[in-house]
Amino acid sequence: QAQLVESGGGLVRPGGSLRLSCADSGFSFGDYYMSWIRQAPGKGLQWLSYISGSGSTIFYADSVKGRFTISRDNSKNSLYLQMNNLRTEDTAVYYCARGPGDTVTTGPFDIWGQGTMVAVSS
Amino acid sequence: ETVLTQSPDTLSLSPGERAILSCRASQSVSSKDLAWYQQKPGQAPRLLIYGASRRATGIPDRFSGSGSGTDFTLTIRRLEPEDFAVYYCQQYGSSPPLTFGGGTKVEIK
Repeated sequence: QAQLVESGGGLVRPGGSLRLSCADSGFSFGDYYMSWIRQAPGKGLQWLSYISGSGSTIFYADSVKGRFTISRDNSKNSLYLQMNNLRTEDTAVYYCARGPGDTVTTGPFDIWGQGTMVAVSS
Repeated sequence: ETVLTQSPDTLSLSPGERAILSCRASQSVSSKDLAWYQQKPGQAPRLLIYGASRRATGIPDRFSGSGSGTDFTLTIRRLEPEDFAVYYCQQYGSSPPLTFGGGTKVEIK
């Protein structure tokens, strides 16, 4: 059964950095777009970034552009999010998710990890 | 950016009742690019509906989606105890940013 497992969350001071990882199992990782999505405490879902299967296409939400970097290593079936210059408003549960789509067509976020908590506080 | 507005914010219903959730887009969304997710406390979201009306694998047929253009609806035919949760709509076809609605909480009356 396909699943995603995030790691790397924790407590960091404002201005600090953190790197999140997401490991896949059970599907052809390199065939799919992958995304990072976050949820601040008590709030809704916010898409942050996606990367194509080959890594050649990347987009970011304006709120993280220039501070966060998405990447992937298909040989390790892994997705990453490097987060720099963190702010208190970045405090959230961060999810990796498969999607939007694969090499052929667009699609929803059909597989989600369990999430990893990032807390930015002094 | 396509803004998705969900209504109502909260729906108070009893088990066995029908729930109707609305998602309105600020501009036309292709039906093939509209999804609904369910999220329970402490859990990741789960895909329910994609392509506006297609149920994801393992989703019971009491969940149905409909709509086109700027107006979409998620209907839960007869609420089961496990259906009380927060529901989000999301569009994934237009240029980024990909956007979610603000969510509708379905709570027990």
